Amino acid sequence: GENVEQHPSTLSVQEGDSAVIKCTYSDSASNYFPWYKQELGKRPQLIIDIRSNVGEKKDQRIAVTLNKTAKHFSLHITETQPEDSAVYFCAASPSGNTPLVFGKGTRLSVIA
Amino acid sequence: NAGVTQTPKFQVLKTGQSMTLQCAQDMNHNSMYWYRQDPGMGLRLIYYSASEGTTDKGEVPNGYNVSRLNKREFSLRLESAAPSQTSVYFCASRRDTDTQYFGPGTRLTVL
Repeated sequence: GENVEQHPSTLSVQEGDSAVIKCTYSDSASNYFPWYKQELGKRPQLIIDIRSNVGEKKDQRIAVTLNKTAKHFSLHITETQPEDSAVYFCAASPSGNTPLVFGKGTRLSVIA
Repeated sequence: NAGVTQTPKFQVLKTGQSMTLQCAQDMNHNSMYWYRQDPGMGLRLIYYSASEGTTDKGEVPNGYNVSRLNKREFSLRLESAAPSQTSVYFCASRRDTDTQYFGPGTRLTVL
């Protein structure tokens, strides 16, 4: 089955710097790759997603890139702010009705 | 449109007690899921239901049972609670390969 590896597990950046989180997946049939942000004590919430027919997607300060050949995808956050501090999860969706497979999460701390 | 709702928000049980966590969604989604999240940990899938009338085991099903009551509702039952089941439980729903939405979670403590 699908396996998703996420790195790093923790990341600290200065306010205004960029942050990059990387994930690799194993199943070449996976075609949907969402990213979730979970603030302390809250539910995970989708922040951006990408499908396998697209190489990059951007939404204001957040972007995701996908390399299908290498089977990895990355989350890029530019001009980080303290409110970006949270745990971020990547996921991959195998085909059909099989559940999303999540990475183990990255705890991002933005230092003011 | 409430999205995914869960009850209760908090629960304290004694070892051996039973309880049912309720989940409902109003987005006409086919698939529903139950996850547990331990402190500082990721999301682990307990059970899921790809469509009304079907349920399947996830990564950590032992000690739990589920019921997909209808398209809207998916419940999780702990028959005999153990301290190892202390966790935050999230329900989620999704239509096919679209966005997955999570409920607000239930914080369960087993003494």
